[in-house]
This record gives sequence, C-alpha cells and structure tokens, in this order.
Amino acid sequence: AQTVTQSQPEMSVQEAETVTLSCTYDTSENNYYLFWYKQPPSRQMILVIRQEAYKQQNATENRFSVNFQKAAKSFSLKISDSQLGDTAMYFCAFMKSTGANSKLTFGKGITLSVRP
Amino acid sequence: GAVVSQHPSWVICKSGTSVKIECRSLDFQATTMFWYRQFPKQSLMLMATSNEGSKATYEQGVEKDKFLINHASLTLSTLTVTSAHPEDSSFYICSADEHSNQPQHFGDGTRLSIL
Repeated sequence: AQTVTQSQPEMSVQEAETVTLSCTYDTSENNYYLFWYKQPPSRQMILVIRQEAYKQQNATENRFSVNFQKAAKSFSLKISDSQLGDTAMYFCAFMKSTGANSKLTFGKGITLSVRP
Repeated sequence: GAVVSQHPSWVICKSGTSVKIECRSLDFQATTMFWYRQFPKQSLMLMATSNEGSKATYEQGVEKDKFLINHASLTLSTLTVTSAHPEDSSFYICSADEHSNQPQHFGDGTRLSIL
C-alpha cells in the first residue's frame, strides 16, 4: 500500500515571497505519478502540477515547480511570487501508473495562507 | 477541457431521508468514477470506485448498504446516502477518469447537511 505524508499542517508566507510545501511518500512501485492539488475555500479541487516518476526533470507550471527526489521519495512544491489567490489547502497525491481504476492516495494536506 | 458536473451542490434534509448525488462527465466518457468524503480541514477519503455497468468497489469501513453507488452509463454515476443521519453530514466529491494514467477530473462537490 502507498502512503503520502504531509507533516506540516499550516504555513504562512508574505505576498510575493517564495514558499515550499513538503511531501514524502512510500511505495514499492517503480512507475507512478505524483500530483499537487489546490483546494481554495470554494472547495473545488484544482490540479496544480503533475510529475511522472520515470522523468528525471522536475515539472514546472508558471510559478509552481516541484523538487522530485525519487530515491528519497520526496516531492516538494515551490510557489514563487506568492499571490493572495494562492491561499488554499494543498494536497500531495500519489497514483500508480499501471492498470485501470488508478486510485489517488492523498496526504493530509497543508493550509497555506498568503499575507498581504 | 474535461468537465465533471456534480449535483446538487448543497442539500439540507431531515434525518431518515435518502439523498441522491449525481456525478456527470459532460464532454467525455468516464469508465471509472470515484467517490470521496471530506470533513472540514481534512483530506479526501476515498469511499468507493465505480465502474460503468458493474458493482462498485468499496473501501474498507465504508458501508455499501448505506452508500449506494450506481454507474449506469459512461457519463453518470450516482451516490445515494440511505436513511441519512447527522453523522453523514459531510462534503462529498466525485471524480472521473478520462484515460488511464491521466489526472482525474473532479466535480465541485456536494455539501450534505442532515438535521
């Protein structure tokens, strides 16, 4: 079974600053996907970024980038130039890449507050 | 982009009634849909995996007779909370799989309040 650990329950960052959210996971799989989802107060689940385990290059999406360390099973999210709209809960998630019914395993989430 | 519509967005009902929540994929066919439950400030907890035309697979600890799931077509799955009680009050979210190994598309969720 897979586990995803987000050990920081809350973080706060000043607007325009950079913040890093931590995530570690445990799996015996070799091929898998990792995701960061954002859930603002509206509670809509928004995909922020995705990483395929077989790719060594870290994924980036505009102000969002990841530091993927496969050997260490670490997958942190860096948010640059933080904006007030980044205030939300962020969930790290794992998905096996093989077979149908690929379930997502979520971490507990972290509440990020961006201060004006 | 792929859109998943969930209805209703908010429902309040009396204890003992049954409530049906619909999850529709609007512009794609979803062979697999997932139902989650989320309490405030907590993570999403997978309740069941629903495949079109077959019985749902429930996660351990989820009562299948309490939470009835039907996936009658490639674009619609329903979750019925039977004989709902206040402890069933929660936020329920569905997601749909367009292709294997692709990110799931989430509905906007249903806030269920049982009085």
